[in-house]
Amino acid sequence: DQQVKQNSPSLSVQEGRISILNCDYTNSMFDYFLWYKKYPAEGPTFLISISSIKDKNEDGRFTVFLNKSAKHLSLHIVPSQPGDSAVYFCAASARVGGADGLTFGKGTHLIIQP
Amino acid sequence: GAVVSQHPSRVICKSGTSVKIECRSLDFQATTMFWYRQFPKQSLMLMATSNEGSKATYEQGVEKDKFLINHASLTLSTLTVTSAHPEDSSFYICSARRSNERLFFGSGTQLSVL
Repeated sequence: DQQVKQNSPSLSVQEGRISILNCDYTNSMFDYFLWYKKYPAEGPTFLISISSIKDKNEDGRFTVFLNKSAKHLSLHIVPSQPGDSAVYFCAASARVGGADGLTFGKGTHLIIQP
Repeated sequence: GAVVSQHPSRVICKSGTSVKIECRSLDFQATTMFWYRQFPKQSLMLMATSNEGSKATYEQGVEKDKFLINHASLTLSTLTVTSAHPEDSSFYICSARRSNERLFFGSGTQLSVL
């Protein structure tokens, strides 16, 4: 049973427009969420995170929104650029104790079209 | 920023041989390291948690005798795939945590077993 779900395997967005990547989770113990970007044959690189005490976190072109009641988070990229084309993984953690690994979704392949 | 180095990046081996993958934290001491495996178009699946100086904790379904993990120092963890078979072919990624901070990922190892 997948605890972190990314229901869109791929997403195509025109350059300059907004990209919205969605993620749902089922485990109510998760209280820290992260987005990672991954290029082929490379390890994931951290993009942005959000703690459950917040509902929004912004870093440049990237904004993550968290809706705890719906157990849903989304990553907004605006404006989208060609270099944003990659697979984006949503990940979650129950940081109590701080020693656990992350639970990842299956990823969404974002394709930015010129 | 923190850097995690993973080596080798790619390995091709014959069925029945053993393969060792190294994960090093280059500019910090990692009390905890994690090993993930990713099959094509799937999420990163946590295999095991490696704590310096103690035995690794394996996730359900991961054979500890097949995937040997050694975390002998605060900067090095190794994963040895013993008697590798074609079904072990996958992308293996390590990550390291410094105290309670977020994870830093290695660049991954693509293992192909012939």
